[in-house]
Amino acid sequence: DTAVSQTPKYLVTQMGNDKSIKCEQNLGHDTMYWYKQDSKKFLKIMFSYNNKELIINETVPNRFSPKSPDKAHLNLHINSLELGDSAVYFCASSRTGRGNTEAFFGQGTRLTVV
Amino acid sequence: KQEVTQIPAALSVPEGENLVLNCSFTDSAIYNLQWFRQDPGKGLTSLLLIQSSQREQTSGRLNASLDKSSGRSTLYIAASQPGDSATYLCAVKVSNDKVIFGPGTSLSVIP
Repeated sequence: DTAVSQTPKYLVTQMGNDKSIKCEQNLGHDTMYWYKQDSKKFLKIMFSYNNKELIINETVPNRFSPKSPDKAHLNLHINSLELGDSAVYFCASSRTGRGNTEAFFGQGTRLTVV
Repeated sequence: KQEVTQIPAALSVPEGENLVLNCSFTDSAIYNLQWFRQDPGKGLTSLLLIQSSQREQTSGRLNASLDKSSGRSTLYIAASQPGDSATYLCAVKVSNDKVIFGPGTSLSVIP
């Protein structure tokens, strides 16, 4: 069973389009995240959701909007796509708190904007 | 603001060698530290998690240590194999909702 799954795995689209990436976790975690991995392979946090509330937003353009229909899902919507949005986007989840709150990651979505 | 660095950026070793990867963080107030592995074009695989109250964790040929006061963690890989070739990332959890990654160390184990 896949713990954190995201779809699609690959997404190629034209500039100006609107697209969504879906993420689901079956671990019963209460916090989910979106990360962006750029061409230099650096992972940067974009959003996290805890109990359906947006907790942090790391200076991400407002063209990006996370939407969480329930605790197991955190989808990423991107409006008016730009060339610079091309990257690999990772979804992750963990339990809230200190201690053994291991984070689990999806396999990533490679977004290419042409 | 928490910053995470990893040294070296890249490492190439012959098969069978023991090796150490280093991770440093600027703020010792962390919840935990996690080591991941990422293969080219793939997602992240969790290797080890060290809670803030722990000093080390072991899994097979891997041993991770944590010295919170000095802001350092090391990942020790014993008897390296070609299959260990990947990028290794350390990540610190700094709050309930934030995990910050280092830039990674690219490891190549030569047969």
